Amino acid sequence: DARVTQTPRDKVTEMGQEVTMRCQPILGHNTVFWYRQTMMQGLELLAYFRNRAPLDDSGMPKDRFSAEMPDATLATLKIQPSEPRDSAVYFCASGPGTGLDGYTFGSGTRLTVV
Amino acid sequence: KQEVTQIPAALSVPEGENLVLNCSFTDSAIYNLQWFRQDPGKGLTSLLLIQSSQREQTSGRLNASLDKSSGRSTLYIAASQPGDSATYLCAVDGEDDMRFGAGTRLTVKP
Repeated sequence: DARVTQTPRDKVTEMGQEVTMRCQPILGHNTVFWYRQTMMQGLELLAYFRNRAPLDDSGMPKDRFSAEMPDATLATLKIQPSEPRDSAVYFCASGPGTGLDGYTFGSGTRLTVV
Repeated sequence: KQEVTQIPAALSVPEGENLVLNCSFTDSAIYNLQWFRQDPGKGLTSLLLIQSSQREQTSGRLNASLDKSSGRSTLYIAASQPGDSATYLCAVDGEDDMRFGAGTRLTVKP
């Protein structure tokens, strides 16, 4: 089965450090979403891309977060500098973007900032 | 901006009961609606996808319906089992993005 791969699975870092999370979408999928999940806020949309172009990143704190798709096989989400309130599970999802098909989620990156 | 609401937030039922989870959304201009299941500490697993032109989809003991005009979807689970215990999330894929409800946490007691 095709799947979305996220790395790392878990990340513990100190406040102020840079964190990079990676996502490999399913081959052929042209739409990629980044979500953050916490107990308090649920699933929050951070950014999404279509054909590698960012369509909406209004959910991201721009001063510290950045999302990119350097190529069709890789999406990255960076936090610099990281803060304890960034601790959450970050999910990536990809889909064909046709509107007729759904999206597949990765297993997530659990980030803990101490 | 699309807003998605799920009711109830939590549900506890005895094994064998049929149950209904509800999802409502504010903007009817959607492409599709997808129901996911999430087990504690795990990712999201897709259960059913209903395209905007469809009224319902079925998979095993699960049946999802969609009434786009009223902005509602339901997930029906027949003959519930303890293994169905999880959080169920609905996601609405629209023109702007894909938005999630807060989920319904289901517990099925043996």
